Amino acid sequence: AQTIHQWPVAEIKAVGSPLSLGCTIKGKSSPNLYWYWQATGGTLQQLFYSITVGQVESVVQLNLSASRPKDDQFILSTEKLLLSHSGFYLCAWSLEGGNTGQLYFGEGSKLTVL
Amino acid sequence: SQLAEENSWALSVHEGESVTVNCSYKTSITALQWYRQKSGKGPAQLILIRSNEREKRNGRLRATLDTSSQSSSLSITATRCEDTAVYFCATDAGSSGNKLIFGIGTLLSVKP
Repeated sequence: AQTIHQWPVAEIKAVGSPLSLGCTIKGKSSPNLYWYWQATGGTLQQLFYSITVGQVESVVQLNLSASRPKDDQFILSTEKLLLSHSGFYLCAWSLEGGNTGQLYFGEGSKLTVL
Repeated sequence: SQLAEENSWALSVHEGESVTVNCSYKTSITALQWYRQKSGKGPAQLILIRSNEREKRNGRLRATLDTSSQSSSLSITATRCEDTAVYFCATDAGSSGNKLIFGIGTLLSVKP
């Protein structure tokens, strides 16, 4: 069975501090991977997607960057957090393109920037 | 501007009743998806309906798609308290197979 694991579950960070959020997918080889951001009570905004190791496409940057160092791992990071980075970060995977295939979301990482 | 949006911020029904969530979109699409997100959890796909389909069912769920009016609906029959969640429609951006745009979401509350 496929599993998707996001870490950490929650973080409280100071403005200006660095951030790294991670996502690991087990049980599927070469999935398409996605990062979404969701403000509290808001919609999901796609940030990045990757269809292969080492290649990441930016949709909306929001002063964040993403990397895919391994086939089953997707990392979201920034060197300096802003207050506006607070929210819920969701990693997802699919086997087809995200618009015609099913997206499988992780449980998310809640980020609070103070 | 949003490419996909639900037409109601919130709906409230009693258990056993039926409810419909509507969605409109502004560009031509390949497919439209409906997702449900329970509080504090990641969304889960309910139905994917392609542009050449008019209706799709999944248990108590029924989605329709009208490409002429650029609208879709998700109907839930015999609602249960566990159907309480935010419901999103999502569509592709037309130019890439890997971009999915979500609507603002409709909060459905099902009361006992």
